[in-house]
Amino acid sequence: DQQVKQNSPSLSVQEGRISILNCDYTNSMFDYFLWYKKYPAEGPTFLISISSIKDKNEDGRFTVFLNKSAKHLSLHIVPSQPGDSAVYFCAARIFGASGTYKYIFGTGTRLKVLA
Amino acid sequence: DAGITQSPRHKVTETGTPVTLRCHQTENHRYMYWYRQDPGHGLRLIHYSYGVKDTDKGEVSDGYSVSRSKTEDFLLTLESATSSQTSVYFCAITQLLAGGRNEQFFGPGTRLTVL
Repeated sequence: DQQVKQNSPSLSVQEGRISILNCDYTNSMFDYFLWYKKYPAEGPTFLISISSIKDKNEDGRFTVFLNKSAKHLSLHIVPSQPGDSAVYFCAARIFGASGTYKYIFGTGTRLKVLA
Repeated sequence: DAGITQSPRHKVTETGTPVTLRCHQTENHRYMYWYRQDPGHGLRLIHYSYGVKDTDKGEVSDGYSVSRSKTEDFLLTLESATSSQTSVYFCAITQLLAGGRNEQFFGPGTRLTVL
C-alpha cells in the first residue's frame, strides 16, 4: 500500500519554463512534507519542506504547495535550469508506534530540463 | 552532508553470507535511518533509531537487523543475504529545527550486490 505516490515517473521541460512535480498521499496523519533531489551515485539532497498547517512555502526558485483537502502537494521550479535535471522524491513525516518520527517516500519523478 | 559517512561504499557478497553496513555521523544527531533504493520503489525505510539502543522497524524490515550502541554509529546487518537484498542502501539523519521544522540529510550510499 503506497501511502505516498508520485504518479509521473518522468517529466521533460524546456530550460527557462516552469517544472511542476506532483505528489499525492493517503494518510491524513502526515504532519510534514519534504522534497529531495537526487543525482546518480549520490545520496538524496534536501530541497524544501512544508508543514501541514501551511499551504505554501517558497525558497528561491523552488515553491511547494500543499492542498490538504485533496491530499496533494506539488513542487514548482521556476525558471527550470539544466542543472535541475535529477530524480525528485517527495516524502511525508509521521509519528511511528514508538512516538518518534519516520518518513515515507514516493517512488520519484525523473526531471529532464532541455537546453 | 551533515557529517555522514557510510562503509563500505560498494560490496559484492554471496547468498547466505552475513553482511554489516555501517553509518557514522559526527554531529550527535538523535535520529538515524536506513533506507534502500530500488527501481520503481523509490526509497523505502528499513529501520530507524531514535537514540542509543532505541530502534524501530520501517516498511521493509524483514531480513534486516540494526544496532546502535553509541550515538555516532548505526549498523545495518543482513543475517543471511539474499539476492532480493541487492540494492543501494542509504543512511540518513534528521535535524530537528525550531518551529517543528526538520531536515533530513543522507549519506552517499552503499551499493550491495548479492550473487
